Amino acid sequence: GQQVQQSPASLVLQEGENAELQCNFSSTATRLQWFYQHPGGRLVSLFYNPSGTKHTGRLTSTTVTNERRSSLHISSSQTTDSGTYFCAIPRTGGYKVVFGSGTRLLVSP
Amino acid sequence: DAGVTQTPRHEVAEKGQTIILKCEPVSGHNDLFWYRQTKIQGLELLSYFRSKSLMEDGGAFKDRFKAEMLNSSFSTLKIQPTEPKDSAVYLCASRHYAEQFFGPGTRLTVL
Repeated sequence: GQQVQQSPASLVLQEGENAELQCNFSSTATRLQWFYQHPGGRLVSLFYNPSGTKHTGRLTSTTVTNERRSSLHISSSQTTDSGTYFCAIPRTGGYKVVFGSGTRLLVSP
Repeated sequence: DAGVTQTPRHEVAEKGQTIILKCEPVSGHNDLFWYRQTKIQGLELLSYFRSKSLMEDGGAFKDRFKAEMLNSSFSTLKIQPTEPKDSAVYLCASRHYAEQFFGPGTRLTVL
């Protein structure tokens, strides 16, 4: 079945630094989605990005489907970016969504 | 549009009790998911509905967990009887085409 691996598992930054989060998946995927979860908070959709590059504010998502990878770039990180970032992909041929184990980001002031 | 709503936000139950969690999906969304989230297991799918029809009943969860969707705007997840290992955050999500949207979750503590 579909495997989703995220790296790094955790990341600590100083405010103002950039972050690059990776998501690798085992088969050709469509409908990749990036989520953010603040500790104790809800999962918030950041990007629905099956392919190509999308931007919103300081966030950029790039998905290269034939290389089975997606990245999430955070520029000029802020303490409010702290939380866990998940990528999620529907299982091949089905409706189930497979989540990666997440990247836990801590941005220090 | 209020997004996905879930009630209650917190629930404390004694072992053996029956609890019912509620979810209202985004209006017009055809798909509804129930997940359980723990630090150890991460996100686990419990149930999936497409246009109110149960498509996935959770495999290992099915004996004590029952999700229902009586109409397109309301779903419940019943856990009966509860066990301490059920302590987790229960998330409801709805989906239109490809993009999922999550509710705030219900934090369940079973004593």
